[in-house]
Amino acid sequence: GAVVSQHPSWVICKSGTSVKIECRSLDFQATTMFWYRQFPKQSLMLMATSNEGSKATYEQGVEKDKFLINHASLTLSTLTVTSAHPEDSSFYICSLGPAGSPGSGTQYFGPGTRLTVL
Amino acid sequence: GQNIDQPTEMTATEGAIVQINCTYQTSGFNGLFWYQQHAGEAPTFLSYNVLDGLEEKGRFSSFLSRSKGYSYLLLKELQMKDSASYLCAVRDSNYQLIWGAGTKLIIKP
Repeated sequence: GAVVSQHPSWVICKSGTSVKIECRSLDFQATTMFWYRQFPKQSLMLMATSNEGSKATYEQGVEKDKFLINHASLTLSTLTVTSAHPEDSSFYICSLGPAGSPGSGTQYFGPGTRLTVL
Repeated sequence: GQNIDQPTEMTATEGAIVQINCTYQTSGFNGLFWYQQHAGEAPTFLSYNVLDGLEEKGRFSSFLSRSKGYSYLLLKELQMKDSASYLCAVRDSNYQLIWGAGTKLIIKP
């Protein structure tokens, strides 16, 4: 299956700073990538769908000005958490897969980035 | 609204069999997925069901009944490394994945 990497794997930052998380598809050209957030002991929550060359589609309740998504190429999507606050501390996971197709739609997940905002 | 229910936690013994149930109510159905997630890691794909019946893959099997909105994941010959959370996810009519909260499986020697 596809190999997906994320960088960094963990980050600690001060409140008010911005953090950029990269998601790379190493062997698959992904026109669409997905960004999830997972709080401790909770399920994955889809934040946004990242579309290559166009604006991301955000889920209800997710602030697009706070969580900036850029999908400039078929192998790279970035999520920037702007003016991070402690409540943004979470596990951020990207994934890719043909979710829009009627195929099996297996999603391949990145290893995740653990963000801690002090 | 859309909802996926699965037990919060289950305990089983090494070498035994365990069945994790998942019931769903979603707007449309385009497949059901099971994922395994170890603590602090991203989920890994286990199985996919879109037609009724049983899909077997080694020690793991997954069953689907669309008319009942029901699926289960069956794990045989349990090993200690199977201790993890198991997530049920359904793809709805918009091809969005709706996630269950996960079932934490504890394996005891």
